[in-house]
Amino acid sequence: SQKIEQNSEALNIQEGKTATLTCNYTNYSPAYLQWYRQDPGRGPVFLLLIRENEKEKRKERLKVTFDTTLKQSLFHITASQPADSATYLCALGPGTASKLTFGTGTRLQVTL
Amino acid sequence: DTGVSQNPRHKITKRGQNVTFRCDPISEHNRLYWYRQTLGQGPEFLTYFQNEAQLEKSRLLSDRFSAERPKGSFSTLEIQRTEQGDSAMYLCASSHTNRDSGANVLTFGAGSRLTVL
Repeated sequence: SQKIEQNSEALNIQEGKTATLTCNYTNYSPAYLQWYRQDPGRGPVFLLLIRENEKEKRKERLKVTFDTTLKQSLFHITASQPADSATYLCALGPGTASKLTFGTGTRLQVTL
Repeated sequence: DTGVSQNPRHKITKRGQNVTFRCDPISEHNRLYWYRQTLGQGPEFLTYFQNEAQLEKSRLLSDRFSAERPKGSFSTLEIQRTEQGDSAMYLCASSHTNRDSGANVLTFGAGSRLTVL
């Protein structure tokens, strides 16, 4: 069956450092992969997407890589700030108008 | 347009009662999704609509769950004979196709939290 795995343990890092979150998947051939941010009690908010034929995407302090051979995406936040503390979800989609399947999310805590 | 709106935000009910949640999507979005999320887990797909047509429904969804989108605008999710295991956050999202990538980008509402006693 399809499986999307994110590190269930919280990631604690110091302000100013780079946070790296991992998303691994099995039994899936996604057309694209997306990252969302979720704050407590709120719905997820879209951050970035990367297509299967792209290796890397950047947006301000965010960078996403996508390795379809390893079936893995890495999500980096550089110069992290306490305001970046949240749960980050990866999501995979097989095509244009279909559902997204989400991972379990990784909670990031950035401390001063 | 203020985004995706969900009501009520919180619902506490007794086991066996019926509950209904409403979702008002972004007006330009023709696709609408319902997800369920429990603590520490990612959103779990329930069903989705393109305009008024329900195109997919999760096999995990029991007969007690029904969703409608009568005119291709707002949607309702009804849970009949609620059970304690139905306690969760019910998230609605609407989507458009990203022009650059052709990908389906979701805009979520704040969710409706259900507690079944």
